[in-house]
Amino acid sequence: AQSVTQPDIHITVSEGASLELRCNYSYGATPYLFWYVQSPGQGLQLLLKYFSGDTLVQGIKGFEAEFKRSQSTFNLRKPSVHWSDAAEYFCAVGALTTDSWGKFQFGAGTQVVVTP
Amino acid sequence: ETGVTQTPRHLVMGMTNKKSLKCEQHLGHNAMYWYKQSAKKPLELMFVYSLEERVENNSVPSRFSPECPNSSHLFLHLHTLQPEDSALYLCASSQDDKGGEQYFGPGTRLTVT
Repeated sequence: AQSVTQPDIHITVSEGASLELRCNYSYGATPYLFWYVQSPGQGLQLLLKYFSGDTLVQGIKGFEAEFKRSQSTFNLRKPSVHWSDAAEYFCAVGALTTDSWGKFQFGAGTQVVVTP
Repeated sequence: ETGVTQTPRHLVMGMTNKKSLKCEQHLGHNAMYWYKQSAKKPLELMFVYSLEERVENNSVPSRFSPECPNSSHLFLHLHTLQPEDSALYLCASSQDDKGGEQYFGPGTRLTVT
């Protein structure tokens, strides 16, 4: 069975500093991997996705993520954080299947606080 | 704007009321989902519909009743809810049900009194 873990529940970062959010996944084959962001009281917005190919993927809002198969990680990064990046971030994994619906599973989320 | 809309955005209901949540997607997708998001808890998948057929019912109490009349619309009918059902209910859609990205609506904030 697939699983996804976000080890950090809460991260505080200064505005202008770099940010890295960790995501560990477990799946027997290459999964689909995603990062979403959720502002308070809002739905989830897709930041980026990885299906195959280049292991470094670029997303919206200046975010990027790197797929590392050997470490089973898909960490999200941003070189310089803006105050508007304060939100909750979710890593998700989707399983490609042909005989049933593709199980889509979310991590528990990482709350990011940005300080002046 | 993700192409997925939800109404109402906020709902307060008593435990004896009956209400419905509505979700509409304008993306031409074939799969739709209901999630429950409670404070301090992970997202909980409730139901999955693919081509208007329910393909997943994640042990959800019968007081929640989904309906998918066509591939663009998804409803969640609510009756005799409990206070612990208060949460943000999120609708999502995807091209198909094979694990690709999902697009979310803004959610309905439900309070059960």
